[in-house]
Amino acid sequence: GAGVSQTPSNKVTEKGKYVELRCDPISGHTALYWYRQSLGQGPEFLIYFQGTGAADDSGLPNDRFFAVRPEGSVSTLKIQRTERGDSAVYLCASSYVAAANTDTQYFGPGTRLTVL
Amino acid sequence: AQRVTQPEKLLSVFKGAPVELKCNYSYSGSPELFWYVQYSRQRLQLLLRHISRESIKGFTADLNKGETSFHLKKPFAQEEDSAMYYCALSRNTGFQKLVFGTGTRLLVSP
Repeated sequence: GAGVSQTPSNKVTEKGKYVELRCDPISGHTALYWYRQSLGQGPEFLIYFQGTGAADDSGLPNDRFFAVRPEGSVSTLKIQRTERGDSAVYLCASSYVAAANTDTQYFGPGTRLTVL
Repeated sequence: AQRVTQPEKLLSVFKGAPVELKCNYSYSGSPELFWYVQYSRQRLQLLLRHISRESIKGFTADLNKGETSFHLKKPFAQEEDSAMYYCALSRNTGFQKLVFGTGTRLLVSP
């Protein structure tokens, strides 16, 4: 079946603009994760959804970042007043359940965000 | 604090040589450990995890709690093993909140 998809694949924006990044998880997966990967770094956890609710948003860097998953499937990561430091690859992952020791997270291809 | 350290940015070996990708971690408690791999132009994917104790594509990883290490090993590298490898940990209860290292690029030359 289809894997996790993310749109757009690339996004170039200007400092101060608002952007939305979309993630379509694998059908039937209840858990959804967002990570951010800066150049030369590993992915860094941002937020985790179980169903429609954000169960852990401790990784969001500040209140300019917000994510939703209104129907428990597609998720949107929203960034307000973008800054050059927000430039990174934003990765989405989904899994069937959220059990730490048995779960497998399936990653999407990422959205490369460039803030000029 | 939770941290994963991969000391090598690049590891270059010849085909048929043994490979060891180093991973050390810092965690208060008993974490679950993983290796993820990203081949060229492909997405990040799970290679193996400690709890499964399995060998995937000839790779194995042993958890050494005394040295807080989870090194990835393969006795005979193949060209198709060339990729970016990330070590990661998560707590072993609740949801799987992954903490990644900075990655090691493995280059296997013919």
